[in-house]
Formats: sequence, structure tokens, C-alpha cells
Amino acid sequence: AQKITQTQPGMFVQEKEAVTLDCTYDTSDQSYGLFWYKQPSSGEMIFLIYQGSYDEQNATEGRYSLNFQKARKSANLVISASQLGDSAMYFCAMRDRVSSARQLTFGSGTQLTVLP
Amino acid sequence: DGGITQSPKYLFRKEGQNVTLSCEQNLNHDAMYWYRQDPGQGLRLIYYSQIVNDFQKGDIAEGYSVSREKKESFPLTVTSAQKNPTAFYLCASSKGVNTEAFFGQGTRLTVV
Repeated sequence: AQKITQTQPGMFVQEKEAVTLDCTYDTSDQSYGLFWYKQPSSGEMIFLIYQGSYDEQNATEGRYSLNFQKARKSANLVISASQLGDSAMYFCAMRDRVSSARQLTFGSGTQLTVLP
Repeated sequence: DGGITQSPKYLFRKEGQNVTLSCEQNLNHDAMYWYRQDPGQGLRLIYYSQIVNDFQKGDIAEGYSVSREKKESFPLTVTSAQKNPTAFYLCASSKGVNTEAFFGQGTRLTVV
């Protein structure tokens, strides 16, 4: 079974609007971490935000927030006030104790395009 | 500045040749990883190393080899046994199991 599922291959959003990128995950572990990364066309992977499975508050980092719904096993990324520079590929990732070396397991990504 | 440096940025390989991708970090991280990314897809783990002189196969290790002689360095060799090596290769490191991984800029390998 796929561990990380991102069902939106592509998303469009108008500049200055908010957008939600979906991510669901599957793990039997009680202790795990969820991550979001941004990959611009240059290829580098930029860390955005982290949520631990035991964190009671949703993580926030500037314009990024993570809508963590543990019972639903979802960890959606919300980007507020979208900017043209937000256009990129976004990956959801998870690390749990089941994975070898506590590696990050990635979803297939969502290509976000911000429209002027 | 601290970070991860991958070189070269672009690499061309002839069929049947081995090539080595460099990855160096000055973050003092114990764990290092190599990922492969194919167009429009996520990242898949090739090899990882948690300490010096130790490394383990990831999900797609066939046709690849690594070494970890120094904490700072984790080179990846793409051997001639790798049948479809054209891809984008990313090296990463992390300090601990509950912290984010930092990535290099990547190496784009093309077989010609």
C-alpha cells in the first residue's frame, strides 16, 4: 500500500488567494513525522514545515500551515496569500519507525501554479 | 555557510561506463541519503548511511554503490549494471530521526 498519497497532480491558484494541497498517509506506527517540501524548477528540495504525530497544535511557518487530522491520517498544506514565487512542485513526506533508517517516504507531488 | 554540496550539476555518461556523483556536507549530520527522482515522480531511496563506514540498501539499490569513509562525504557510483540511469539524483542529510532532511542541489545524469 502506498504510504503517502497526493491526489492532486496539478493545482492552480490566483495570486493572493489561499490554496490547500492534500496529503494522506498510511502507517501503523504511533510515532511519526510529517514534512512538506517545495521543489522549484531548479530542482532543489526546500523544507517548508514539520508536524510530529504527538503535536497537538497544527504547525505553522509564516504563510505555511499544516492542517493535521490524525484520525483521518491527513496532513494538508495550506499556503495563504499565494505569491508567484510559490509556483513549484510540492511534496508531502513521512518518516516513521517502520521505514528503514527512518527514511523520508515521499508522495508523488503536486505541481502548483500561481496565476497573476 | 553550512549545507550540502553535490557535484557535478549535470553529468553525461556513455553506455557501459561507471560514474560517481559527489555529495559533501558540513552540517555535522550523521545520516546521509541518496534519492533518485524520475520526471513527474516523487523521490525513491537508493542508499543510506547512518554512521561512518556503514551503509544500507534502500528501495532501489540495484546498479548503484556507495561508500562512507568520512562523515562529510557520501559518494554514489552509478554502475553499468544500472539499466536506466537517466534521472535526477538528490543527496540529503539529517541530524536526527525527528528532524528534517537537508538536500543538495541535485545532479542530473543523462546516458548518451
